[in-house]
Amino acid sequence: EVVMTQSPDTLSVSPGERATLSCRASQSVTTNLAWYQQKPGQPPRLLIYGASTRDTGVPARFSGGGSGTDFTLTISNLQSEDFAVYYCQQYNNWLTFGGGTKVEL
Amino acid sequence: QVQLQESGPGLVKSSKTLSLTCSVSGGSINSYYWSWLRQSPGKGLEWIGYIHHSGRPNYNPSLQSRVTISVENSKNLFSLTLTSVTAADTAVYFCARAGTAGSYYRAEGRFFYSSYMDVWGKGTPVIVSS
Repeated sequence: EVVMTQSPDTLSVSPGERATLSCRASQSVTTNLAWYQQKPGQPPRLLIYGASTRDTGVPARFSGGGSGTDFTLTISNLQSEDFAVYYCQQYNNWLTFGGGTKVEL
Repeated sequence: QVQLQESGPGLVKSSKTLSLTCSVSGGSINSYYWSWLRQSPGKGLEWIGYIHHSGRPNYNPSLQSRVTISVENSKNLFSLTLTSVTAADTAVYFCARAGTAGSYYRAEGRFFYSSYMDVWGKGTPVIVSS
């Protein structure tokens, strides 16, 4: 099983700032990596797939990068609606999720 | 716009069988893979398995002995059955559609499709009681 580790657990940022979230895989997943945003009481929302491709309708302030074992999600000019928990997920070998990073004020 | 809706009992007794259904509206169940996932405070997000519209399932190895996922194309729905449930199966269960830009990997002498989830149901909470 590919273990996905996200850091930090919690990230405190202010509106307008940049947030950088990290995700590390226990073995290479090439670019088969997705990012999701989840707010309380809602299902996860797909933001990024293929490590760097934004899903339809996702604002350009969300960007993904990386390949192999190390990945980042960057949220530029953070908006109030961006405070949420973010998960990474690999789909190179079966399908596993990271434990999440909470972005808070 | 495709929408997914989970339905089923919210309370299941320990050692019994959990059964959920996912209704697909606003689009056809054909030409996609469809998935069940769950989320609990203790285990986070966990993939349960996939079903292709043609009927080929693919399960998480850790749950494979207890899981069955099936599809009913004529009714545009797919279903989850999980047997011998315990308190560890208490979670919010989601159905979801797999994206079309996934990957294929080889295991057990076969190729399996795996992907991100681009459409999700709202989720249904299931509590396993003793």
